Amino acid sequence: GQNIDQPTEMTATEGAIVQINCTYQTSGFNGLFWYQQHAGEAPTFLSYNVLDGLEEKGRFSSFLSRSKGYSYLLLKELQMKDSASYLCAVKDTGGFKTIFGAGTRLFVKA
Amino acid sequence: NAGVTQTPKFQVLKTGQSMTLQCAQDMNHEYMSWYRQDPGMGLRLIHYSVGAGITDQGEVPNGYNVSRSTTEDFPLRLLSAAPSQTSVYFCASSMGGQGRNQPQHFGDGTRLSIL
Repeated sequence: GQNIDQPTEMTATEGAIVQINCTYQTSGFNGLFWYQQHAGEAPTFLSYNVLDGLEEKGRFSSFLSRSKGYSYLLLKELQMKDSASYLCAVKDTGGFKTIFGAGTRLFVKA
Repeated sequence: NAGVTQTPKFQVLKTGQSMTLQCAQDMNHEYMSWYRQDPGMGLRLIHYSVGAGITDQGEVPNGYNVSRSTTEDFPLRLLSAAPSQTSVYFCASSMGGQGRNQPQHFGDGTRLSIL
């Protein structure tokens, strides 16, 4: 079966660092994506991992361990505009289908 | 830079009515998908297409039909609307072939209510 787990909600303080975890059990794996979705808007791409290790992109980093079925998204120097949902998504072996987790709602407080 | 365009943005239907949600992309992407997003359940794949003339079912295909007669367009049809189909619908596209691990681009969504 296909299962992707993320925490439902997290709260962090402006300027701090927050880590959003994602664990997955899927029948195939061809990469893991993180998307950001502000309320009432479409998801937008943040990061992609297909090999184990850390990918860094400015204030955002994403880590993958394929053997553990685990990824995290790290957000540094949090800003109020980072308040959004963060979606973990796994692409299947053929690269055709993407399965999404339910998303983590992040609240950034002053 | 239109990207992925969905119409309409909002729609209210009565139970039993049919309608078509439109999706068009201008990026020459091979892959297109339809998702529905319900509170607490994330994005669930309804149908997807890997190219013109080719479609396949996702996780929740019942009650929906799709076709892909051109690379650009991927309409989603609700055959007989039910209250359980009240949701936000997103269309997405991405590259195929060597670029199939590129991210998806999403339309702005269609907010559909079935009374």
